[in-house]
Amino acid sequence: GQQVQQSPASLVLQEGENAELQCTYSTTLNSMQWFYQRPGGRLVSLLYSPSWAEQRGGRLTSSAASNESRSSLHISSSQITDSGTYLCAIPYRNNYAQGLTFGLGTRVSVFP
Amino acid sequence: EAAVTQSPRSKVAVTGGKVTLSCHQTNNHDYMYWYRQDTGHGLRLIHYSYVADSTEKGDIPDGYKASRPSQENFSLILELASLSQTAVYFCASSDPGAGNTLYFGEGSRLIVV
Repeated sequence: GQQVQQSPASLVLQEGENAELQCTYSTTLNSMQWFYQRPGGRLVSLLYSPSWAEQRGGRLTSSAASNESRSSLHISSSQITDSGTYLCAIPYRNNYAQGLTFGLGTRVSVFP
Repeated sequence: EAAVTQSPRSKVAVTGGKVTLSCHQTNNHDYMYWYRQDTGHGLRLIHYSYVADSTEKGDIPDGYKASRPSQENFSLILELASLSQTAVYFCASSDPGAGNTLYFGEGSRLIVV
């Protein structure tokens, strides 16, 4: 089946530092998504590719090559409120109507 | 803002008992999904539905039934709950024709003892 791999598994940042989260998948796609989840909380959509212009507060950007099976999420000037888990997701069986396949996520902790 | 609500938010069930998790959306979306989230496995799709009175199997349907009596409501049913079904369950809705993102509920934490 489809595989979505994320790295690193966890990341510790000092407030103000930048970070890059990686996502690789077992197939070539035209689009993918990033979600954010607080501990015990709901998943919230952050960015949907290929709409590269979408950003959250201007500090999040997603980049990927259309012919490669990987994507990156860049967090600039991290804030304590950025702490949580970031999940990468691709269309299930290459069909968005059938939902999404998720990676295990990268747990980000931002400290003062 | 899209709204997906789940009930109950948490539940303790006895092994072999029946559990029903309910989901209600006010997004007017045709598609709804049930996922379970476990440490080490992440989110996995159990069942989904694209129209009322019809459900489809996802990756891990064994031990679960789903029911979609209306566009707004989608239930997940565990007829005989087992210890391995202890997890957090998330419901989501989407409208693929208007964008491919999923809108999630807050989750239902199920503990089977």
